[in-house]
Amino acid sequence: GAGVSQSPSNKVTEKGKDVELRCDPISGHTALYWYRQSLGQGLEFLIYFQGNSAPDKSGLPSDRFSAERTGGSVSTLTIQRTQQEDSAVYLCASSLVVTSGRGETQYFGPGTRLLVL
Amino acid sequence: DAKTTQPTSMDCAEGRAANLPCNHSTISGNEYVYWYRQIHSQGPQYIIHGLKNNETNEMASLIITEDRKSSTLILPHATLRDTAVYYCIVRVYDNDMRFGAGTRLTVKP
Repeated sequence: GAGVSQSPSNKVTEKGKDVELRCDPISGHTALYWYRQSLGQGLEFLIYFQGNSAPDKSGLPSDRFSAERTGGSVSTLTIQRTQQEDSAVYLCASSLVVTSGRGETQYFGPGTRLLVL
Repeated sequence: DAKTTQPTSMDCAEGRAANLPCNHSTISGNEYVYWYRQIHSQGPQYIIHGLKNNETNEMASLIITEDRKSSTLILPHATLRDTAVYYCIVRVYDNDMRFGAGTRLTVKP
């Protein structure tokens, strides 16, 4: 596709339920990132995938959060036992191969708005 | 980590140039300056980036001071659709962008 796509665009769930958020990166982009943006706040880094390397999970806020990337393309962010504080916009971005110091540009999807009741 | 400082908000008249400043006094030699914007309810949109030299593309110009401690994003002819939050980011690692609070630019008719 022309850009990064995410689904669903909106998700309302009950506290304690699990949710899965999907990201389809730009074709050919080997790096994929997940961010979270709470209302009125800046972006918070969650996790990063680069090719076949082990993902950088340093931004995940708790062990309820996990992500996988199958076949080096589509990624799924899973939040288990959701809490109200998980309510936010979850953004996915992708970029070409990252080379140290090169500053590859990240392109963002429209986000998934998650509301935990 | 290099951090950025931006004004919280700015106004600009439609058709005039919008000049958005950013301070990044602790920037390292190999760190790029990136600008993104986020229009309400949308994902961040890439605008421009640079290392040392001034840059220009179809959206904006980026002016970086010689000491690299500050930069200015210029939207030459602001339109109402340019109303957004503008983020100045210094690339700390390869693996993520550290977004701050940004500048809320309001373009007024």
